[in-house]
Order: sequence, then C-alpha cells, then structure tokens
Amino acid sequence: NAGVTQTPKFQVLKTGQSMTLQCAQDMNHEYMSWYRQDPGMGLRLIHYSVGAGITDQGEVPNGYNVSRSTTEDFPLRLLSAAPSQTSVYFCASSYAPRPTRQETQYFGPGTRLLVL
Amino acid sequence: AQKITQTQPGMFVQEKEAVTLDCTYDTSDQSYGLFWYKQPSSGEMIFLIYQGSYDEQNATEGRYSLNFQKARKSANLVISASQLGDSAMYFCAMTSVTSYGKLTFGQGTILTVHP
Repeated sequence: NAGVTQTPKFQVLKTGQSMTLQCAQDMNHEYMSWYRQDPGMGLRLIHYSVGAGITDQGEVPNGYNVSRSTTEDFPLRLLSAAPSQTSVYFCASSYAPRPTRQETQYFGPGTRLLVL
Repeated sequence: AQKITQTQPGMFVQEKEAVTLDCTYDTSDQSYGLFWYKQPSSGEMIFLIYQGSYDEQNATEGRYSLNFQKARKSANLVISASQLGDSAMYFCAMTSVTSYGKLTFGQGTILTVHP
C-alpha cells in the first residue's frame, strides 16, 4: 500500500493564480481531510469528507474548495492564491470518524506552497 | 469547542533516558480521542499513539506510552530509552464526540536527544 500520497511536493504560485493539490489514498478509508500548517503552529483543518459526494468545512475554509467524487481521491483547489495561503498542506485519511482507534488519521507527506 | 495545550516549547533529554512531554486538553464532551504525532525535520506527520476517553488502561506502543489522567485532563507522552532518532517535533491532538474526525492540535514540543 502506498498509503496517502500528495502531489506536488512543492509549488510556487503568483498571487491570483489557481491550482489543485492532489491527494489519494489506497486504504479504502471513508474519511479524508485537509490541514494546513503554518510556522510554529499545529495543523488546522481546512475541509473534510466523510465519504464520496460528502464534504464539509473545517476551521479555515476560506479560499479553498474541495470535492470528492471517489473514495480514493480528495483534491484541494485554491481559487485565487494569496500570500496568506503560503503554508504546508497535509492530506489525511482514516477508516471512519468514530470513537475508536479507527478514527486515527494517517497523513500524506505534505505539499509546500509558496505564494508570491 | 476543544483545546489542546502543550506548555513545553522545547525539551532536552540524554540518549537512553526517558522523557515526558506534557499535554492538557479541554472539552465538555464525555467521549473523545487523544493522539500523539511525531514530525521529524523531514516534515511528515507520523502517528504514534491513541487513547480513547473510555479506555481504562493507559495506551502503550513500543517505547511510547500515554499517561492518561482523566480528572486532570492530561495526556502526557512518555518516551522510554530515548534514541537520537526521537529528535523531532511532537504534537498532541484530540477529537471529541461533537467533532469526530476533526483533529485539534496543540502547538507542539520540540524534543532534542543528546548523545
């Protein structure tokens, strides 16, 4: 199993450009999520999905869109990049958001995004 | 709302000694999960250990154990027999019954293991 994969590893954008961060998992996990990590801080939830066709907002959703057409893929779209979106982005997945160890989220390697 | 507090920005430990990383949490929910993740300098997030709020025993995973004190709302990570490879950032995180799947993270503790 590859686990959770993310592409690209690193990206530089200009203000106003759009792009899609890709995330895929091969563990048949129901739950997928996107977090961002800013310097000196823990991760903050952007969007999440409890299954194909179902998405919802997290703590910091503004400026980002998501969709989930398959169980495996959960892309994150930046609509019009801003310097404040410079961050490291992590995708994660788990079996299910239930009160057991099955809710443990496994993370991808991250995407470093620099917006100029 | 839930909150995680890690009060130790940095910790130092000698190789082969044990170290405790502190974590306190705040939630009004009775059902919740507590997690520890390790982030080495390479940047990936590595899951270490999980503790459910109704688990009667402290969780253990190899050299990692979680000292869970429910009344004090603390979930400290204990690393026994530290190794140089344990040098990393460590994050405590939680979910709760009203926000399962939505991890709330602390600010992290940087652990440095000295030879």
